[in-house]
Amino acid sequence: GAGVSQTPSNKVTEKGKYVELRCDPISGHTALYWYRQSLGQGPEFLIYFQGTGAADDSGLPNDRFFAVRPEGSVSTLKIQRTERGDSAVYLCASSLIWTGGTGELFFGEGSRLTVL
Amino acid sequence: AQTVTQSQPEMSVQEAETVTLSCTYDTSESDYYLFWYKQPPSRQMILVIRQEAYKQQNATENRFSVNFQKAAKSFSLKISDSQLGDGAMYFCAIYGGSQGNLIFGKGTKLSVKP
Repeated sequence: GAGVSQTPSNKVTEKGKYVELRCDPISGHTALYWYRQSLGQGPEFLIYFQGTGAADDSGLPNDRFFAVRPEGSVSTLKIQRTERGDSAVYLCASSLIWTGGTGELFFGEGSRLTVL
Repeated sequence: AQTVTQSQPEMSVQEAETVTLSCTYDTSESDYYLFWYKQPPSRQMILVIRQEAYKQQNATENRFSVNFQKAAKSFSLKISDSQLGDGAMYFCAIYGGSQGNLIFGKGTKLSVKP
């Protein structure tokens, strides 16, 4: 696609429910990143993939959060037993190669998650 | 660990004037990259300008330029001839060789007044 696509744009759920957020990166980009942006804060790193494997998942806050990228393209961020504190905008970004060298990430418009 | 500090939560500038956004950082890496990203209300982060730490010359992109002071670990963004479309959140970020991701500051909200 022309840019990074994220769905849904907005998601409202109830506490305790399961949520999936999808990211479709720019075609051919091997690196994919998930960030979480709480209100009034900068994006906070969650996880990044090189191809199908998670190269660094040190930013995932706990075991309720999980992400997959089974075919090295589309990625899904999964949140189990959602809590009100999970409410945030979840940003996805992709880059052509591992950012070493250029460092430019191309971002989607994010998925705003609201947990009631 | 790498950190980025933006001490100005909000700034405003008159259209056509110049404004400078501040950023300081901390890193133990010898090779790193610094960035300014713009985030309009659409939420999509857009790269404004980047600076390689090994380069002494300050980066420039049209109306946007940086003042990179490596010893002071300072990386400010200057916007000249400000336009209404420049109004947005601006985030400073650092990428360091041992980490595969960007570390962002908390951002500065820039308002441009007509």
